[in-house]
Amino acid sequence: QQQVKQSPQSLIVQKGGISIINCAYENTAFDYFPWYQQFPGKGPALLIAIRPDVSEKKEGRFTISFNKSAKQFSLHIMDSQPGDSATYFCAASRPDNAGKLIFGQGTTLQVKP
Amino acid sequence: DSGVTQTPKHLITATGQRVTLRCSPRSGDLSVYWYQQSLDQGLQFLIHYYNGEERAKGNILERFSAQQFPDLHSELNLSSLELGDSALYFCASSVMWGGTEAFFGQGTRLTVV
Repeated sequence: QQQVKQSPQSLIVQKGGISIINCAYENTAFDYFPWYQQFPGKGPALLIAIRPDVSEKKEGRFTISFNKSAKQFSLHIMDSQPGDSATYFCAASRPDNAGKLIFGQGTTLQVKP
Repeated sequence: DSGVTQTPKHLITATGQRVTLRCSPRSGDLSVYWYQQSLDQGLQFLIHYYNGEERAKGNILERFSAQQFPDLHSELNLSSLELGDSALYFCASSVMWGGTEAFFGQGTRLTVV
């Protein structure tokens, strides 16, 4: 019940295309869903986050879509660029768990020029 | 730059030894989280401190311990090291807990030989 399942494990997209990464969770107590971007040798960096009271949040080329009934959320990267090539992690946390983040297994994105 | 500082960046040590990893949170952040990142386990929560007090524990081994000092920096102590402890160790900080933005440091890469 504490797991967050992320797919796909790896993704190759052409420059200008749309990258889509999906996550699913079981625990309905989760109320905060961030996405992190990690480059090799660096720490995860917060990209965008959403709460269950909204179905979509957009920041620049990055959009989170949230489906509460299906217990799924996804990250869409529009107009993908080679500089977006990185590992992306979805995560979730519960309000009673002091901000502890449960991470998905990660998706390695490669954007080809 | 997230504002979270971790030292050292790299650490190579022998089995059975003890090491200390240090984390300085962003200015004003009271929460410090420690995570372990390995290839097979992904990003796993270890422990959370808030304003000097332990608030939550994850899958942290008994050989591992942590503390947060009055100046809010934190240290993660790893003892009786085993080959399997080789991993990236990240700390993250946030102003409070429970869904607020968490900012990660660059990590300490620990190699146990």
